[in-house]
Amino acid sequence: QVQLVQSGAEVKKPGASVKVSCKASGYTFTGYDMHWVRQAPGQGLEWMGRLNPNSGGTNYAQKFQDRVAMTRDTSIRAAYMELSRLTSDDTAIYYCARDRGGYGVDFWGQGTLVTVSS
Amino acid sequence: SYELTQPPSVSVSPGQTARITCFGDALPKQYVYWYQHKPGQAPVTVIYRDSERPSGIPERFSGSNSGTGVTLTISGVQAEDEADYYCQSADTSGTWMFGGGTKLTVL
Repeated sequence: QVQLVQSGAEVKKPGASVKVSCKASGYTFTGYDMHWVRQAPGQGLEWMGRLNPNSGGTNYAQKFQDRVAMTRDTSIRAAYMELSRLTSDDTAIYYCARDRGGYGVDFWGQGTLVTVSS
Repeated sequence: SYELTQPPSVSVSPGQTARITCFGDALPKQYVYWYQHKPGQAPVTVIYRDSERPSGIPERFSGSNSGTGVTLTISGVQAEDEADYYCQSADTSGTWMFGGGTKLTVL
């Protein structure tokens, strides 16, 4: 069965970077785009960007354009989201989500809590 | 990019019909997806392509698109439907956006 398993919670200091992983199983990893979505405390869902695991191509939300990098390692079927220059506003749960084309997201990771605190 | 606008909250009694709207200038041209999000859980897609229901989603969930606005309708609301609901669409470059979310309260 399809599973997206994310890395564990992280605590970072302001100015640092964080790299969250999303390991896929149960399907052809390169066949589906992967999105990253976050939710800050008390806030709504926020789209960060998407990764094409086949080509490595990306499309980032303008808000994160200069400090996010989405990559993948096809040999281990993992997608990564790295966010740099962290501030307290980046404290959030980060989700990876598989895009089934025109059917929308059909599977989500369990979420990774990233806490930014001095 | 453009924005999607949802009401912050909707309240209904069990058995009644809940309607959650989502407005955006580009909605006549782009599909809308609806996600249900409960605390401590990952979101779940309840409607895709404006009005299609994924397998496993109860028939009481339906979606419609009237042009500039789309509506998620939950008929015969149950207590378990209490959650935050988000509409989501994309522009022609593939950039996604979410609405601000609507908290559905079952009284």
